[in-house]
Amino acid sequence: QVTLRESGPALVKPTQTLTLTCTFSGFSLSTSGMCVSWIRQPPGKALEWLALIDWDDDKYYSTSLKTRLTISKDTSKNQVVLTMTNMDPVDTATYYCARTAPDPDAFDIWGQGTMVTVSS
Amino acid sequence: EIVMTQSPATLSVSPGERATLSCRASQSVSSNLAWYQQKPGQAPRLLIYGASTRATGIPARFSGSGSGTEFTLTISSLQSEDFAVYYCQQYNNWPPVYTFGQGTKLEIK
Repeated sequence: QVTLRESGPALVKPTQTLTLTCTFSGFSLSTSGMCVSWIRQPPGKALEWLALIDWDDDKYYSTSLKTRLTISKDTSKNQVVLTMTNMDPVDTATYYCARTAPDPDAFDIWGQGTMVTVSS
Repeated sequence: EIVMTQSPATLSVSPGERATLSCRASQSVSSNLAWYQQKPGQAPRLLIYGASTRATGIPARFSGSGSGTEFTLTISSLQSEDFAVYYCQQYNNWPPVYTFGQGTKLEIK
């Protein structure tokens, strides 16, 4: 059974750096074609893709947020980490991690999400 | 960046009736289009990928069609559990810059 679970702080202050961890099981991020993405959703708003890391350690970022994002993986721990710098209240959202497999190559399994509030 | 536009924003349909949701891409995404269902307080669930292939465990009443820039999600006979928000998403780019539509809320009439 494939599962993903996000963890991280529920509250961060403006200008701080957010670090989120996605811990997964049931698949290996060393397997060709496997990818993990981060996606966020502000309250009552639409989904926004943030970043992706693939089995070959290639990393891709949202055009509008790329200067603030870093994605990395620890294959031995089955974890993917996202850092976002210079947090602002507009970054308040539920942050999800999700898997992409070779088939289907859409986000087939999602974590339950973690709500992050940015406030002083 | 490819912009995905969904219509309508809200759709009111009675149980047992058919629902048709639309998604338009600002440029061709071929068949690299997925649909997701999201219920309140839950993560999105993959329904359709490749524009028309149902994901594992998705009932046959859900169907997807289209290619290029125009796509449709059809729910043939609405069940109570189908009332939710639906998002389309394109994954045509490489390197990936994935984008979602703004969502269609399907509500009970």
